Amino acid sequence: GAVVSQHPSWVICKSGTSVKIECRSLDFQATTMFWYRQFPKQSLMLMATSNEGSKATYEQGVEKDKFLINHASLTLSTLTVTSAHPEDSSFYICSASGGRLRTYEQYFGPGTRLTVT
Amino acid sequence: GQQLNQSPQSMFIQEGEDVSMNCTSSSIFNTWLWYKQDPGEGPVLLIALYKAGELTSNGRLTAQFGITRKDSFLNISASIPSDVGIYFCAGLGNTGNQFYFGTGTSLTVIP
Repeated sequence: GAVVSQHPSWVICKSGTSVKIECRSLDFQATTMFWYRQFPKQSLMLMATSNEGSKATYEQGVEKDKFLINHASLTLSTLTVTSAHPEDSSFYICSASGGRLRTYEQYFGPGTRLTVT
Repeated sequence: GQQLNQSPQSMFIQEGEDVSMNCTSSSIFNTWLWYKQDPGEGPVLLIALYKAGELTSNGRLTAQFGITRKDSFLNISASIPSDVGIYFCAGLGNTGNQFYFGTGTSLTVIP
């Protein structure tokens, strides 16, 4: 397997503030990282795909100015939720692929629970 | 995004029973993955399938990549309480490297 970490595991913030979530691949170089959002008892919704050193590709309906993604190194990607509102409260999960992993294998982080009050 | 439908949506079974679930798509996929997610955790990869018709096992789990490339199946034999969780299939299409996730199957194992 492979290990992907996320930080923080949970965060509570006030409406209007910004929150940054980190995703790290600990034992492999992740050329591609994915960001997902999951509502309770629902499936994972892909938000964006980021390749190291490139701009992220956002899925239709995802506001790129609101969900800023940076993938500056082969082991770190960040998701910043800007001017957060209560409707942004959700479980955010990243995954990573590339490096020594088999083609198209991706491993997930443990997720970050965001609550906006 | 593409829609992958999983069935059943939920299952309640007795410990020791076998479990079968499937995932279907209207589109062809080149790769199928099966994941298990525990509450409040990220999904954990169980099995990856790369060729149509492929049958792959991981302990008590067996998954198959459908011949039509539009479906996949996961079987769990002799279920145990720790099998409880939500199982997701994921498919990789012909374009790009995005995976699309199924709707999930919630499994409850009754001791």
